[in-house]
Amino acid sequence: EIVMTQSPATLSVSPGERATLSCRASQSVSSNLAWYQQKPGQAPRLLIYGASTRATGIPARFSGSGSGTEFTLTISSLQSEDFAVYYCQQYNNWPPRTFGQGTKVEIK
Amino acid sequence: QVTLRESGPALVKPTQTLTLTCTFSGFSLSTSGMCVSWIRQPPGKALEWLALIDWDDDKYYSTSLKTRLTISKDTSKNQVVLTMTNMDPVDTATYYCARNPYGGNSDYWGQGTLVTVSS
Repeated sequence: EIVMTQSPATLSVSPGERATLSCRASQSVSSNLAWYQQKPGQAPRLLIYGASTRATGIPARFSGSGSGTEFTLTISSLQSEDFAVYYCQQYNNWPPRTFGQGTKVEIK
Repeated sequence: QVTLRESGPALVKPTQTLTLTCTFSGFSLSTSGMCVSWIRQPPGKALEWLALIDWDDDKYYSTSLKTRLTISKDTSKNQVVLTMTNMDPVDTATYYCARNPYGGNSDYWGQGTLVTVSS
């Protein structure tokens, strides 16, 4: 089973600043990685798939990079609506289709 | 417009079997490459993938929960059903269904249904 490890667990950022979130896979997942955003009381929302392709309607300030075992989600200039929990998920080698434990982006 | 909606009991007793239904619209599970997953999230915790069924009726399960899960589909009703046996309080969670085109990312999600396991 592939283990996905996200860091940090919590990221404190001021509005307008850049946020960089990391996701590491225990073995290569090629580019078969997605990022999701989840706000309190809501279902997750797809942000990035294929490691770097923004989903429909996702603002350009969200970008994804990486392949193999190391991945990054960057939010270039944090807006108030971006404070949320972010999850990565691999869909390369499954079952299971494993998620990371999440990174909470909070207001500094 | 793609929508998914989960339904089922809000409360189950320990040892009972949980049956959840995902009713969807805007796509067909008979379309080649189309899949639907179930994912759960205990309160305050991370997402956990449970199961997936594809257009060809192939089924895939979480390795740790495989013995307790069954996923099925009714293409004519646009529904996917998940059953989980021998429920325990640790299974208390919000259960989501999601669409997975070609077995890839989950691009559309239901709003989730909270299931509490308690006597």
